Amino acid sequence: KNQVEQSPQSLIILEGKNCTLQCNYTVSPFSNLRWYKQDTGRGPVSLTIMTFSENTKSNGRYTATLDADTKQSSLHITASQLSDSASYICVVSARKEYGNKLVFGAGTILRVKS
Amino acid sequence: EAQVTQNPRYLITVTGKKLTVTCSQNMNHEYMSWYRQDPGLGLRQIYYSMNVEVTDKGDVPEGYKVSRKEKRNFPLILESPSPNQTSLYFCASSPSRVALVTDTQYFGPGTRLTVL
Repeated sequence: KNQVEQSPQSLIILEGKNCTLQCNYTVSPFSNLRWYKQDTGRGPVSLTIMTFSENTKSNGRYTATLDADTKQSSLHITASQLSDSASYICVVSARKEYGNKLVFGAGTILRVKS
Repeated sequence: EAQVTQNPRYLITVTGKKLTVTCSQNMNHEYMSWYRQDPGLGLRQIYYSMNVEVTDKGDVPEGYKVSRKEKRNFPLILESPSPNQTSLYFCASSPSRVALVTDTQYFGPGTRLTVL
């Protein structure tokens, strides 16, 4: 069964600190992996997209890594800011005959406090 | 501005009273989709559409209907809402499902529905 599991469920950190969010998946056949940021009361916004051959991708202070062998990904946030408080969703795309099927993780809720 | 819009943003209704949530995108995207989001669960796909007049069931289609008469609009219809359909609903679009390999899905702002 295609599944995406994220950890931790929630996290509180101090402003300026770094943190790492984890994503493990069992989706097959793998096509790509995305990280989304979802602010409270808003729709998810794409942060990064990685295909099988990419193992690191950065977007400003966000760096995503992918290990396709162990089926794990992480999202590292550097020098956190209050505006980073949000839910972070890992989405894995399974390759299908007529396009891709997206499988969503439940998200990690990050709270950055001053 | 490129965007996906949904209306209404908030809705409280009663069991059995038909309702429609509208979704519109101005990016000429072929692919549109509806999701529901519940606490502790990931986004789950309700229905999707690969193009005008082409719709198909997602993972949780029971109790919902959709239509795609025009490229830009993809309304979600609840013929007889029930309390278990209380949820946060998102509409999303992307240029093409086939090209979903690296396409970004653009999400609407969400509609919070409460069925009493």
